[in-house]
This record gives sequence, structure tokens and C-alpha cells, in this order.
Amino acid sequence: EDQVTQSPEALRLQEGESSSLNCSYTVSGLRGLFWYRQDPGKGPEFLFTLYSAGEEKEKERLKATLTKKESFLHITAPKPEDSATYLCAVAGQGGSEKLVFGKGTKLTVNP
Amino acid sequence: GAGVSQSPSNKVTEKGKDVELRCDPISGHTALYWYRQSLGQGLEFLIYFQGNSAPDKSGLPSDRFSAERTGGSVSTLTIQRTQQEDSAVYLCASSPRGRRNIQYFGAGTRLSVL
Repeated sequence: EDQVTQSPEALRLQEGESSSLNCSYTVSGLRGLFWYRQDPGKGPEFLFTLYSAGEEKEKERLKATLTKKESFLHITAPKPEDSATYLCAVAGQGGSEKLVFGKGTKLTVNP
Repeated sequence: GAGVSQSPSNKVTEKGKDVELRCDPISGHTALYWYRQSLGQGLEFLIYFQGNSAPDKSGLPSDRFSAERTGGSVSTLTIQRTQQEDSAVYLCASSPRGRRNIQYFGAGTRLSVL
């Protein structure tokens, strides 16, 4: 069974204080790993997809990396508007198109 | 263009009543998904539709849950004889063919069963 574990559950940073969020996964053949951002009362917003170990993607202050066992979402010099819950999900080779999500990391960036 | 639209945004119902939740996917997207997000839990897959293929219903938690997709577009998720444990946010997502699973989500319907 595909599984995703995210850590930490919650993270508080000061504005400008860089850090990383972790996503560990077990999957029967990775077809893709996805990062989403979710603001309160809204649906998840797509950020990145990674398909193979060693791949990296960047968008503004965010950078996602992928190994065979985990993914990191690096946040450089965060701003208060980066505060949100970040969700990690995997799609496996099992034949279904479903995504298996972790429980998320709630990030708070204080000014 | 318009994103995934879900209605209602909030639904309060009494235990034992039936509810219908609606999802309008992004125009041209062939795949449609339903997920459930309970407090403190990750998103839980419910059902997946792709074109005219038989839906993947493997995530539906009980036979009280059903979904249909008419004309390859709008989808309705129906929960019969609602229970308090059905209280959650129900999220719909759609995906275009060939985009390797990138799913775009609506804002969800928050269901409260009293």
C-alpha cells in the first residue's frame, strides 16, 4: 500500500528564516510526486510535480527535490504570504490514477 | 479560464438525511476525482472517472456513497443516510488527458452532519 509521511506537522519561521519540509514515501513504482499548497477554506493549489530521483523544480522562494525515498520542499527567505499548509502526494504504478496524500505541514511565517 | 467549481460550498444536514454534492470540472478535462478531507487527516481518495471508462470506486467507504458523471462533465456525489462521521470537506479535482496526473482542485464542499 502506498504511504506518505510528512514532517514536521507544523513549523513556525521568522520572515527570512529558510527551512525545509520533508515528505517520505513508499510506493509501488513512482509515477509522480506532487506538492500542493492549501490555504484555509480553499482547495489545494498545484505547485510542483517530480517524476524521477535527482529531479528538482523551483518557483519563486520554493524548491522541490526528489530522492528514491523522500522529497524536500525548501523555502528560502520566506515571507508571511508563504504561510499555508503544504501537502505532498504520490501517484503509484498500481493502475489507479488516484493520489495518496500525506497529512501536510502547516507553515506559519511571522513578520 | 474557470477553475473547478463545487456546490454548495457549505452543507448542514441532519443525521439520516441524503445529500448531493456537485462538481463542475475544468472544461476539456477528461478525468475527475473526488476526495474527502477530514479534520486532522490527509486527503482520502473516493472515486475516479476517466472518459467513458468504468469508474474506479475503490475508495468509497461504504455503499451509502455513490457518484455519477453525466455527459463526461458534471459529477454528483451522493451520500445516503448521512452519519456524523461523514462530516468533512469533500474536494473535487479534474485533470486533462496527457498531463501526467496533475490534478486541479475545487474549493470543496464542507459537510456538517448534526
